[in-house]
Amino acid sequence: EAGVTQSPTHLIKTRGQQATLRCSPISGHTSVYWYQQALGLGLQFLLWYDEGEERNRGNFPPRFSGRQFPNYSSELNVNALELEDSALYLCASSFMVEQFFGPGTRLTVL
Amino acid sequence: KQEVTQIPAALSVPEGENLVLNCSFTDSAIYNLQWFRQDPGKGLTSLLLIQSSQREQTSGRLNASLDKSSGRSTLYIAASQPGDSATYLCAVLGSGNTPLVFGKGTRLSVIA
Repeated sequence: EAGVTQSPTHLIKTRGQQATLRCSPISGHTSVYWYQQALGLGLQFLLWYDEGEERNRGNFPPRFSGRQFPNYSSELNVNALELEDSALYLCASSFMVEQFFGPGTRLTVL
Repeated sequence: KQEVTQIPAALSVPEGENLVLNCSFTDSAIYNLQWFRQDPGKGLTSLLLIQSSQREQTSGRLNASLDKSSGRSTLYIAASQPGDSATYLCAVLGSGNTPLVFGKGTRLSVIA
């Protein structure tokens, strides 16, 4: 069974640009979670989608947004990139409670 | 607001030693607790999940315990190996639409 997949693996952008990150959950999982892991700050919860709806949002500005598609895959969009957005972005999926994580997308903002 | 603390932040041990990693959380009203492993620059691998009604879970050389009333969990690794070198993260899940709250992790180095 395939695990959670994320694309791209690495993404380099300049300040002010927009970034789009993608996540495909494990087959049968309806919930997708996004987390940011910035250096020294630990894992911070960003967004939670379930059945196409946003269920919860972490303490991040509105320029962090996303959506979940009918096939349960998800997209995270970061607008007006700032240097401090440089981080590893992790996606996780779940069906009931246990979350399974993807390999992450490393976003570098120059 | 739930806060998760992991001690120590880093640990270096010789191969073959048994070791204990600690995790504490401030709000005992949790649904479950998970231990994860993260290799440098990689995603998270789930090691053990303990439901709030359980006291411990075991998988191979790993044993995790949970004392919900005191807000503590421990991860015991028996007969450590160099391949166990990684960062170990503890995360708690509250009830309702609350997200996983993570500690900052313990970076483990097992020296051959």
